[in-house]
Amino acid sequence: KAGVTQTPRYLIKTRGQQVTLSCSPISGHRSVSWYQQTPGQGLQFLFEYFSETQRNKGNFPGRFSGRQFSNSRSEMNVSTLELGDSALYLCASSPRDPPTEQFFGPGTRLTVL
Amino acid sequence: AQSVAQPEDQVNVAEGNPLTVKCTYSVSGNPYLFWYVQYPNRGLQFLLKYITGDNLVKGSYGFEAEFNKSQTSFHLKKPSALVSDSALYFCAVSPGGNTGKLIFGQGTTLQVKP
Repeated sequence: KAGVTQTPRYLIKTRGQQVTLSCSPISGHRSVSWYQQTPGQGLQFLFEYFSETQRNKGNFPGRFSGRQFSNSRSEMNVSTLELGDSALYLCASSPRDPPTEQFFGPGTRLTVL
Repeated sequence: AQSVAQPEDQVNVAEGNPLTVKCTYSVSGNPYLFWYVQYPNRGLQFLLKYITGDNLVKGSYGFEAEFNKSQTSFHLKKPSALVSDSALYFCAVSPGGNTGKLIFGQGTTLQVKP
């Protein structure tokens, strides 16, 4: 089975722009979660989706949003980018509900200039 | 507040020696516990989990972890370290229930020297 895929792998944007990141979970996985990884804050939970419904949201401003499609693919969007949004954004999927172990993609490295 | 602590930023061990990477948590209820490993410029790779049952759980690549409820700890162990085990290790906790939200420790860099 193919693993979790994330596109694009690398992204460079400027402050004030918006960005959309995409995640395709492992086939058959319906639970998708997003995490932000930075050197200062470590790994922080962003969102969790199951069957197109956002089930949980982390402590991030409203500029961060996401959605899940009927095929379980997920996107996250960050509007009005700030320098501090530079991070590795990781997507994970789980074969179970409620999720137990989660399988992570390689991440999207976002750099905001 | 819910939290996970990995008290050591770095652990150094000689190849062939046993290794331990420590993790303690502060999460109410009966959380699920996990260990993940991250290699440079890569995503996280699942190693093992504790949901319920035997306090000693075995995972990938010869790693195991011991759950101690009274000490709220979940230390990662391996009897004989390999140079290829050198990586960044994360302990994570999920509160359980109807969510898979993971709370991560800050990570411990494992350095195995030949």
